[in-house]
Amino acid sequence: KQEVTQIPAALSVPEGENLVLNCSFTDSAIYNLQWFRQDPGKGLTSLLLIQSSQREQTSGRLNASLDKSSGRSTLYIAASQPGDSATYLCAVGPTGNQFYFGTGTSLTVIP
Amino acid sequence: NAGVTQTPKFRILKIGQSMTLQCTQDMNHNYMYWYRQDPGMGLKLIYYSVGAGITDKGEVPNGYNVSRSTTEDFPLRLELAAPSQTSVYFCASSARLAGSTDTQYFGPGTRLTVL
Repeated sequence: KQEVTQIPAALSVPEGENLVLNCSFTDSAIYNLQWFRQDPGKGLTSLLLIQSSQREQTSGRLNASLDKSSGRSTLYIAASQPGDSATYLCAVGPTGNQFYFGTGTSLTVIP
Repeated sequence: NAGVTQTPKFRILKIGQSMTLQCTQDMNHNYMYWYRQDPGMGLKLIYYSVGAGITDKGEVPNGYNVSRSTTEDFPLRLELAAPSQTSVYFCASSARLAGSTDTQYFGPGTRLTVL
């Protein structure tokens, strides 16, 4: 069974700092990896999706990388803002038709 | 586009009661999913559907049932509610077709408490 781990569980940074969130997975036979943002009491919003044949994807201040051989993905957030405060989750798959989610990193950006 | 909508937003059930969580998507996606999210845990897949009339179990299907009579709707039925089913339930959809990105789109969730 695929296991997805996100470290750290919580992170607090001052505004303007660049930061990296980590996602690791145990089975490298994945089709894609997706990063989501979840605000308190809300659903998940897709940020970036990386296909297994890709190494990275960029959207604005966000850059996600994928290294299948080592079972790792990183989400880089440049020039963090208080509005970036949220929980960030990664999901890998599908294995069969199932996606596996990490438990998330709770990010707080301090003004 | 409304995307993925879920009703109700909140519900309190008594042990043994039944209810249906509604999910509708207007993106003509073939794949639909039901997840539950417990505090401090990742999302767990309950059931999924690859198209109208086709459903299959996910990781945690016990105590739930689903049906998919149309492309748009994917209701989740809870029979004989138990406290262990207290959770936040999310519906999602994706277009798993050749040439698509398979991005999952999520609804806002239903917060269910069983007392």
